[in-house]
Amino acid sequence: EPEVTQTPSHQVTQMGQEVILRCVPISNHLYFYWYRQILGQKVEFLVSFYNNEISEKSEIFDDQFSVERPDGSNFTLKIRSTKLEDSAMYFCASSGQFTGGYMNTEAFFGQGTRLTVV
Amino acid sequence: GDSVTQMEGPVTLSEEAFLTINCTYTATGYPSLFWYVQYPGEGLQLLLKATKADDKGSNKGFEATYRKETTSFHLEKGSVQVSDSAVYFCALNSGGSNYKLTFGKGTLLTVNP
Repeated sequence: EPEVTQTPSHQVTQMGQEVILRCVPISNHLYFYWYRQILGQKVEFLVSFYNNEISEKSEIFDDQFSVERPDGSNFTLKIRSTKLEDSAMYFCASSGQFTGGYMNTEAFFGQGTRLTVV
Repeated sequence: GDSVTQMEGPVTLSEEAFLTINCTYTATGYPSLFWYVQYPGEGLQLLLKATKADDKGSNKGFEATYRKETTSFHLEKGSVQVSDSAVYFCALNSGGSNYKLTFGKGTLLTVNP
């Protein structure tokens, strides 16, 4: 069964450093997302990406964040200068598959990258 | 904007007990509704979904019915198992341009033998 894969599974970084979280979405999906989950809290939407551009972003997704789909398969989230409060589990997801003329919008999630900023 | 309100946890049950986790929502239009499950140390997995009013989603003995009149999507299981111990998230997408999901806060379920 196709799946979304994320690397690394854990990342520890020093405050102020740049990090890149990587994701390989399901290949024939059209929509790509990043969500985050601060420990013990709800899963929050960060950004959606469609047709090679950001289609929506949340208030959390400020100028420190950026996304790219550099080669048609990978989908990355970059945090330019990490802060302590960026520590969270980051989930990549993809959705949007045409099946028999119908758009299946079920989102498939990766296993997540646990980011710890020290 | 869209929002999901979910029963606060944690919920602790004995094996074979009946489970209900309440979920209500606020959304524009006619959202699709989902329950996701997160087992310890793992990512989010879709448990079940319903895309229109009165639809019942079901999977692994879990059920939830899309109730438009009460804007609810309560999760139920008749007889829980220890292996059902996980965090359960109610979520919706109201379509729009990108089908993003809005999640509830999650309910931790612990089932004891």
